[in-house]
Amino acid sequence: DGGITQSPKYLFRKEGQNVTLSCEQNLNHDAMYWYRQDPGQGLRLIYYSQIVNDFQKGDIAEGYSVSREKKESFPLTVTSAQKNPTAFYLCASTTTGGAANEQFFGPGTRLTVL
Amino acid sequence: AQSVAQPEDQVNVAEGNPLTVKCTYSVSGNPYLFWYVQYPNRGLQFLLKYITGDNLVKGSYGFEAEFNKSQTSFHLKKPSALVSDSALYFCAVRDIGRNYGQNFVFGPGTRLSVLP
Repeated sequence: DGGITQSPKYLFRKEGQNVTLSCEQNLNHDAMYWYRQDPGQGLRLIYYSQIVNDFQKGDIAEGYSVSREKKESFPLTVTSAQKNPTAFYLCASTTTGGAANEQFFGPGTRLTVL
Repeated sequence: AQSVAQPEDQVNVAEGNPLTVKCTYSVSGNPYLFWYVQYPNRGLQFLLKYITGDNLVKGSYGFEAEFNKSQTSFHLKKPSALVSDSALYFCAVRDIGRNYGQNFVFGPGTRLSVLP
């Protein structure tokens, strides 16, 4: 899983709670991404950040929020506004030096709503 | 709009036989193509990529992929499958003509089962 860590590995949320998923990388990558994975649907982009203090919405940003205060860190908050948050969440990073660069992925966090 | 299709949800192959996992893509410009593998409850691992040049790309764990521009395909192959190759495989395309952050697009995944 390269130099990207995600915590916790498993997370349980009660209805109405906000929870924050951690993503840290030591690859010196500028760009970081959050994806949601549901069975049979591949990966869907939630948010991405190309540089510190800047981030953009992806395809399914509603009910989620992020921050990018440090290059190494890109935490994702799943808010109570996200109606169906049970999923596997993946964080990724890449360099911005060229379009040929692949993404590196963390090990994922599995979020379950109780 | 760019898109990636993996026409087979599931591929079954006997150990020792060759395997192929199919991928077709659609982009407006020149594609950068990637294959990733995912084991249960793990993140995606990069296998190989096509950028330019030779249409046959070699990657990790004995995998290779063949780029075919006329058929807009990028099929993943391995000459002799191992039981340990059983996993979920994702094809991805990157169109540099699209907004930078949103230009990775992943296919829905193909589950490969290698039977002993």
